[in-house]
Amino acid sequence: DSGVTQTPKHLITATGQRVTLRCSPRSGDLSVYWYQQSLDQGLQFLIQYYNGEERAKGNILERFSAQQFPDLHSELNLSSLELGDSALYFCASSVEATSGNTIYFGEGSWLTVV
Amino acid sequence: AQSVTQLDSHVSVSEGTPVLLRCNYSSSYSPSLFWYVQHPNKGLQLLLKYTSAATLVKGINGFEAEFKKSETSFHLTKPSAHMSDAAEYFCVVSAKGSQGNLIFGKGTKLSVKP
Repeated sequence: DSGVTQTPKHLITATGQRVTLRCSPRSGDLSVYWYQQSLDQGLQFLIQYYNGEERAKGNILERFSAQQFPDLHSELNLSSLELGDSALYFCASSVEATSGNTIYFGEGSWLTVV
Repeated sequence: AQSVTQLDSHVSVSEGTPVLLRCNYSSSYSPSLFWYVQHPNKGLQLLLKYTSAATLVKGINGFEAEFKKSETSFHLTKPSAHMSDAAEYFCVVSAKGSQGNLIFGKGTKLSVKP
């Protein structure tokens, strides 16, 4: 158990809908990351927050947004869902936001868009 | 820009024989390198990391990796494979100035035959 908690574990929704994925980082970790794992794109970095502020953006679509709250939990909002958004979404956390930090991953949220 | 290339998409070994999973990296700076493992329907678990200390890094479950700057390689090895090692393995780079976020290789699926 990494200590990173993600909910829900599985989610099935229709195209055009909006979903919210939730993440609780490890106790004491200030930095939260979101990654998407799909068969065709592999594991891709989406976005990173550190202590409530956005720190880095990767290949995140405009239909997607995220935030980190004062209690350090984070949410990833996915809207106007398309079939291609079906993927495993990982949240991860680390103490700092610097290169070399060990990043711990949750077990992921499986999103299926039908 | 930084990247990693995992040279084999699939490796198959017999139980009790050595494991070699190959990874080459590209980075403009001194990289931090990681190997993560993903068992079926599970999250990503850190096996080991290199952050410019000893070039031979020992990880969990008997795995180790050697950082070779001249060859830009960070191959993962294990002397004797176990059935429980069957999983997907990801070589990962986090370079200086990256805010800590990770760039994943495409993964190597390790199969272990009895």
